[in-house]
Parts: sequence; structure tokens; C-alpha cells
Amino acid sequence: GNSVTQMEGPVTLSEEAFLTINCTYTATGYPSLFWYVQYPGEGLQLLLKATKADDKGSNKGFEATYRKETTSFHLEKGSVQVSDSAVYFCALSDQAGGSYIPTFGRGTSLIVHP
Amino acid sequence: SAVISQKPSRDICQRGTSLTIQCQVDSQVTMMFWYRQQPGQSLTLIATANQGSEATYESGFVIDKFPISRPNLTFSTLTVSNMSPEDSSIYLCSGSGTSGTYNEQFFGPGTRLTVL
Repeated sequence: GNSVTQMEGPVTLSEEAFLTINCTYTATGYPSLFWYVQYPGEGLQLLLKATKADDKGSNKGFEATYRKETTSFHLEKGSVQVSDSAVYFCALSDQAGGSYIPTFGRGTSLIVHP
Repeated sequence: SAVISQKPSRDICQRGTSLTIQCQVDSQVTMMFWYRQQPGQSLTLIATANQGSEATYESGFVIDKFPISRPNLTFSTLTVSNMSPEDSSIYLCSGSGTSGTYNEQFFGPGTRLTVL
């Protein structure tokens, strides 16, 4: 079956530090890949996505590149802010029996200190 | 994109009672899902809500405990039946498959349930 593995959290950084959150996946098909963010007390929001190999998704200074050869989709940001403190979920969507079934990683909590 | 609302946003219930959570989408979506999320933990998929037919449940979840309805492409309900304190959690609804999207999911804000 499909699976998504994320690095364990929490990740604690100072403001303006560089962020990497690792994500690797296994899938039987050719999935689309996503990063979602969940701010405290809220539902998940799509942060960025990539639908084919070598695609780079980007949004709000965050980037992730779909690497088929390493089955990875690592999230990066060059300079984090306190407002980036949230839980980040890596996910994939793969087609099975005509439906797109989502698979989520366990989430990585990011804490940014001023 | 799609905007998803859930009602109620939170509730405190007594053991043995049932609660129905409503999920409304502002546009038609192909698929709708129900998740459970313990505070600080990942999402656990309960079921896929299928329009006009029985929901597809994940391992460990059964229809008698979590009956789901989906009468059309924009609305679904999840009932948590015969509740116990172990059912205390955040319940999230999501939809996917709107026009122009790549099966990304749109999430509701969640329903925070506490069972006493």
C-alpha cells in the first residue's frame, strides 16, 4: 500500500533560520504530492503541490521538488518567521479503482522562536 | 477551490449519546472524507463518503459506530454513536476533486468533541 514518512518533530528554529522537513513516500502508482499546513485550532490548508516528477511547488516562500528517483518531496524555506509555527503534513494522492485515495504523513510540528 | 464548513465547531457530550456532525461544501466535489485527529497527532481516515451509497470505511471503523450520509455532491454528515470518552477527538471533513484541481483536499475547520 501507499505510505508517507516524515521526519519526527518538533522542529525548533530561530527566526530567519533555514527550514527543511523531510518527506519520503511509497506508492504503487504515479501520485500527486502535497504539503498541507495546520495552524493551531484550525483545519488543514494546502500549502503547495506537485503533480509530476521534477515539478517544484512553491507558496509563501516554501518550496518542495517532486523527486521520483529518491521518492522524496522535502519542504524547504530559506528564512522562517514566527508566524510559520504550525504542523506540516506531507501527503500523496494516488489513483486506485477510479478514485483518488489520500495518504498523509504523521505531521511535523514547527516551532519558530523570535 | 472549495470552502468547507462544519457544524458544530465543538461540543461536549455525555457518554452513551450520539452526535451528528454536518459538513457543507460551497461547490461540488467528487469525493468527501471524514478524518479523526487526536490533539498533536496525525490524521486517521475514518471513511470515504460516497454519494448515494454506503460509505467506504477504513480498517477499525464500522458503520454502526460512525454512520455517514452523503445525499448530494456538497453535503455529508458523520454521526458518532454511543459515545465514550475514547471518542473525544477532532473530527475533520474534507473534499477533493473540484474542477481544475489535482485532487488536492480542502478541509473544514474541524469539530472538537469532548465526551464525558
